[in-house]
Amino acid sequence: DAKTTQPPSMDCAEGRAANLPCNHSTISGNEYVYWYRQIHSQGPQYIIHGLKNNETNEMASLIITEDRKSSTLILPHATLRDTAVYYCIVREGNAGNMLTFGGGTRLMVKP
Amino acid sequence: DSGVTQTPKHLITATGQRVTLRCSPRSGDLSVYWYQQSLDQGLQFLIQYYNGEERAKGNILERFSAQQFPDLHSELNLSSLELGDSALYFCASSVDHFVGGRGEQFFGPGTRLTVL
Repeated sequence: DAKTTQPPSMDCAEGRAANLPCNHSTISGNEYVYWYRQIHSQGPQYIIHGLKNNETNEMASLIITEDRKSSTLILPHATLRDTAVYYCIVREGNAGNMLTFGGGTRLMVKP
Repeated sequence: DSGVTQTPKHLITATGQRVTLRCSPRSGDLSVYWYQQSLDQGLQFLIQYYNGEERAKGNILERFSAQQFPDLHSELNLSSLELGDSALYFCASSVDHFVGGRGEQFFGPGTRLTVL
């Protein structure tokens, strides 16, 4: 059962912010929101995760709504190398749990 | 570079054959996960091992098996191969303890299996 809903594709101009939305309306209190991306056929790469507070790291920012039913991943200055499929995943905080990937959002950064 | 290594990078074999894929986790990571990515099924979790023992099973076929050795490397064995087994197979590793909410998995570069 899909726990998240993402648009299948998005475009973004190089140098502009890329805002990738994710709906997770059935998220429970102990579940975190994780974002991964997969560039071409490489192994998925961890980007960021959060529980209820907004988070920022060197790669991106994660904005989670107050009701935690949706979130947005922000790439502040997208580059061509950010072209990838971005996966929003909801999972429990136990690090031992597997990741359940949905279809993700294919982000195309254009010059 | 995630620190997770997988061999071989490419594998071409025939239907009915058996192959072994190998994964070495990041130094210090006790958990190893195997995922399959095919064109029609997307990325799917197969199986997880933690410190040598099976911890979780996903959509893994009975023809597939895995193990994790004392040095923590893992092998995924695929037998009686079918055309539909052609896919990318990824291994990931994690520290597998919950510390302040971290627990991301680090993925290897994958093994591309082609069954002819």
